[in-house]
Amino acid sequence: EAEVAQSPRYKITEKSQAVAFWCDPISGHATLYWYRQILGQGPELLVQFQDESVVDDSQLPKDRFSAERLKGVDSTLKIQPAELGDSAMYLCASSSPIRGGSYEQYFGPGTRLTVT
Amino acid sequence: DAKTTQPTSMDCAEGRAANLPCNHSTISGNEYVYWYRQIHSQGPQYIIHGLKNNETNEMASLIITEDRKSSTLILPHATLRDTAVYYCIVRVGSNYKLTFGKGTLLTVNP
Repeated sequence: EAEVAQSPRYKITEKSQAVAFWCDPISGHATLYWYRQILGQGPELLVQFQDESVVDDSQLPKDRFSAERLKGVDSTLKIQPAELGDSAMYLCASSSPIRGGSYEQYFGPGTRLTVT
Repeated sequence: DAKTTQPTSMDCAEGRAANLPCNHSTISGNEYVYWYRQIHSQGPQYIIHGLKNNETNEMASLIITEDRKSSTLILPHATLRDTAVYYCIVRVGSNYKLTFGKGTLLTVNP
C-alpha cells in the first residue's frame, strides 16, 4: 500500500539554527498538507498546497517558516531560525477523493523536532 | 467548520464494543462527520465519514442522530491495537484542511 514518506523521523537542533523537513506524498495526490502537532493537542494546519501552489498558509509563521513544492510532487518545510516553542511533531499529509465528493487525507509518520 | 465535543478519555475491555460519542450541535447541512485516529507516535489515520445516514466499513460503524447534532463511532470488537486518540471532525466534504480538537483517548484493556 502506498504511503506518505517523511524524513528525518527525528531531529534535534539548537535554537537559532535552521532545520528542514522533507515529504513525499502518495503518487498522484495533487493536494499536500503540512500540520504541526504540539504534545497533547491535535494537529494544526500550517500550509496546504494544490499542485505547486499554496492555497492556505494563514497559520504559517512566515517570519521564520517557509514551505515549497516546486514541481508539485515532494515538498520541503523549513524553519529558520528555530525557537524553543517549535518543538513539536511535523506531519505531512496528501489527499485522495473518496465517495460523495469528499477527500481522505493520508498522513506520514511525522518528524519529531526537539529544539534545545 | 462546526466545533465538536468529545470525552477526554474512555476505557474498553478487549473483545467488547467501543462506543465513542461526539457532540456537534452546530453542524451545518453541508458538513460531514469524519473520524480519524492516531496511534501513539504515528500520523492520524482515516476511519470513516458520513453525512446523514449511518455508515459501516471494515474498521468501524458510524451512527449519526436524525437531527445530526451528535454521532457515535463504534468499534465492534476492540483489540489492544485500537488503543489510540480518536478525533471527531466536522467539515464541508471537500478537499480542505482538517481541524482537529483534542480527541478521545481510548484505552483497550486486556
